[in-house]
Amino acid sequence: QQQVKQSPQSLIVQKGGISIINCAYENTAFDYFPWYQQFPGKGPALLIAIRPDVSEKKEGRFTISFNKSAKQFSLHIMDSQPGDSATYFCAASMNTGFQKLVFGTGTRLLVSP
Amino acid sequence: SQTIHQWPATLVQPVGSPLSLECTVEGTSNPNLYWYRQAAGRGLQLLFYSVGIGQISSEVPQNLSASRPQDRQFILSSKKLLLSDSGFYLCAWRRGRAGANVLTFGAGSRLTVL
Repeated sequence: QQQVKQSPQSLIVQKGGISIINCAYENTAFDYFPWYQQFPGKGPALLIAIRPDVSEKKEGRFTISFNKSAKQFSLHIMDSQPGDSATYFCAASMNTGFQKLVFGTGTRLLVSP
Repeated sequence: SQTIHQWPATLVQPVGSPLSLECTVEGTSNPNLYWYRQAAGRGLQLLFYSVGIGQISSEVPQNLSASRPQDRQFILSSKKLLLSDSGFYLCAWRRGRAGANVLTFGAGSRLTVL
């Protein structure tokens, strides 16, 4: 119930294409869903986050789509650039108690020039 | 603004040797502090978290321990390292109040146990 399942494990996209990473969860008490971006040798950094009261959130080329009934959320990177090549993690937490973030296993994205 | 510092950045240690990784946060008070480990090609595993000085919760029983001697200092330790302790260790912090969801990571410490 505490798991967040992320797919695909790796992804290769051509420059200018759309990158799509999917996550699914079981715990309906989760109410905060962030995405983190990690470059090699660096710590993850918050990219974008969504709460379940909205179905979509967009920040620049990055969009989170959220499907509450299916318990799924996804990250879309429009016009993917080589600089977007990184590992992306989805996560989820509850806004009660300790608010522990549960992370997906990560997706390694490579955007080819 | 808040900043998080982690050191050392890189560490190579022999099996059986001790370990001490340190993390400090500046610009905030009473943060929630976390230690994560990231094995090669794998996700983020929560090891320890702390909501206050001297308060440590362990997520995974193992060869490691954590301490919080000061409000903004979090230390990860081991008395005798194992080969399986190799990995990328990440300290993180979050505001210690309800609704504060943003988790901010440090730059990480890469540990290689030989």
